[in-house]
Amino acid sequence: DAKTTQPNSMESNEEEPVHLPCNHSTISGTDYIHWYRQLPSQGPEYVIHGLTSNVNNRMASLAIAEDRKSSTLILHRATLRDAAVYYCILRQKIQGAQKLVFGQGTRLTINP
Amino acid sequence: ETGVTQSPTHLIKTRGQQVTLRCSSQSGHNTVSWYQQALGQGPQFIFQYYREEENGRGNFPPRFSGLQFPNYSSELNVNALELDDSALYLCASSLTGILPYEQYFGPGTRLTVT
Repeated sequence: DAKTTQPNSMESNEEEPVHLPCNHSTISGTDYIHWYRQLPSQGPEYVIHGLTSNVNNRMASLAIAEDRKSSTLILHRATLRDAAVYYCILRQKIQGAQKLVFGQGTRLTINP
Repeated sequence: ETGVTQSPTHLIKTRGQQVTLRCSSQSGHNTVSWYQQALGQGPQFIFQYYREEENGRGNFPPRFSGLQFPNYSSELNVNALELDDSALYLCASSLTGILPYEQYFGPGTRLTVT
C-alpha cells in the first residue's frame, strides 16, 4: 500500500489558520487523497478529498502539490471544536472495493 | 436520516473464543466496510461488502469474516480470538456508484481479548 506521512502533533490558536501537511510520495495516479478527522470516542468523520486540483468546502481547503507527492489541509479559522486527530488518507481500489489507507494521523490541539 | 450504528459498544472476550459485531448502515447506503483500529494507530481496512458479496479484503486472515444482509446491515465475525485482536472495530457505510465515495463511520465497538 502507498503510505502517508504526517507530523505526530501540531498546536494552534483559536481563530487562526491551521496548515496540516502530508507526504505521500508513493501515491499512484488513480489514488484519491482524502482527509478525515476523529474526535475522542467517535469514528472518523469525512473532511475533504481531491485528486489533482485544489478543493474547497465548508469545512476546509485542500492544496495538492503539482506532482501529487504532498498535500496540505487548511482550516481557515480554527475553533476549539476542531481539536481532533486528522488523518491524511489515500483511497485506493482493491479488487472491486474502494479502501481507505490511513496513516498515523496528526493530533491537533487548539489553544483558546 | 439515521447515521451508522454499531453494537455492542464494548465487549470482553477470552482468547480462543468467537465474537460477532454488528453494524447498521446509514439509510440508502449499499456498501459497508470494516476497519480495525489498534490503540494509538490509524484504522486498518479489513474488508468491504457490496450487494451481500465481499468485494475487497485487506491483510487479515480468514478467521475474520463478514456478512451483509439485504437491508444492508452487516456483521463482522472473528474466530479463535487472539490477544492482538483487542482493538476498536469500526464499520463505515457508503453508496457505491455515487462520488465521492465518502464513507460514514459508526462510533465503533471496543473489543478486549484477555
